[in-house]
Amino acid sequence: GIQVEQSPPDLILQEGANSTLRCNFSDSVNNLQWFHQNPWGQLINLFYIPSGTKQNGRLSATTVATERYSLLYISSSQTTDSGVYFCAGRMDSNYQLIWGAGTKLIIKP
Amino acid sequence: DADVTQTPRNRITKTGKRIMLECSQTKGHDRMYWYRQDPGLGLRLIYYSFDVKDINKGEISDGYSVSRQAQAKFSLSLESAIPNQTALYFCATSDRSSGANVLTFGAGSRLTVL
Repeated sequence: GIQVEQSPPDLILQEGANSTLRCNFSDSVNNLQWFHQNPWGQLINLFYIPSGTKQNGRLSATTVATERYSLLYISSSQTTDSGVYFCAGRMDSNYQLIWGAGTKLIIKP
Repeated sequence: DADVTQTPRNRITKTGKRIMLECSQTKGHDRMYWYRQDPGLGLRLIYYSFDVKDINKGEISDGYSVSRQAQAKFSLSLESAIPNQTALYFCATSDRSSGANVLTFGAGSRLTVL
């Protein structure tokens, strides 16, 4: 089945730094989504980004579907950005989203 | 009130007990899902339902059952809980008419099986 790799697995940054999180897929996917899980466990959808680039405040995401990867950019990090970031996608033939293992981000004040 | 509400939020039980986790939503979405999250891993799909009469097994359905009592309610049962079912369980919804299948999650139900 499809494999989803996220990198880096862990990232520790100072407040104000910028970061790039990557998501690689072993096969073509659609319905690519990015999620943030805060330290209390709540999961929030950040982007639905099957292709192209979207921006929402300090966050932006880019998916290059032909090369099977997606990037999440976080600029001017804040402590509230801490948590785990997941990407998930699905194949055309299957309704199930396949999830990466996540990138754990810690922003230090 | 939350759009997707899960109860209970925390539960400790013993091996062999029957457990039900409940999910209700006020978003009017037709699709509902149950996921499981283990430490250090992404989410894995247990069951999903595209409408009241449509129930489908996900990646890890063994040991679980579900019931879609109404469009707004989707419950997950563990018929005879075992310790390796200790995990964080999430209910999620999505709207077929949007075409994007963007998921909205509940706050999660933490289950510990002793």
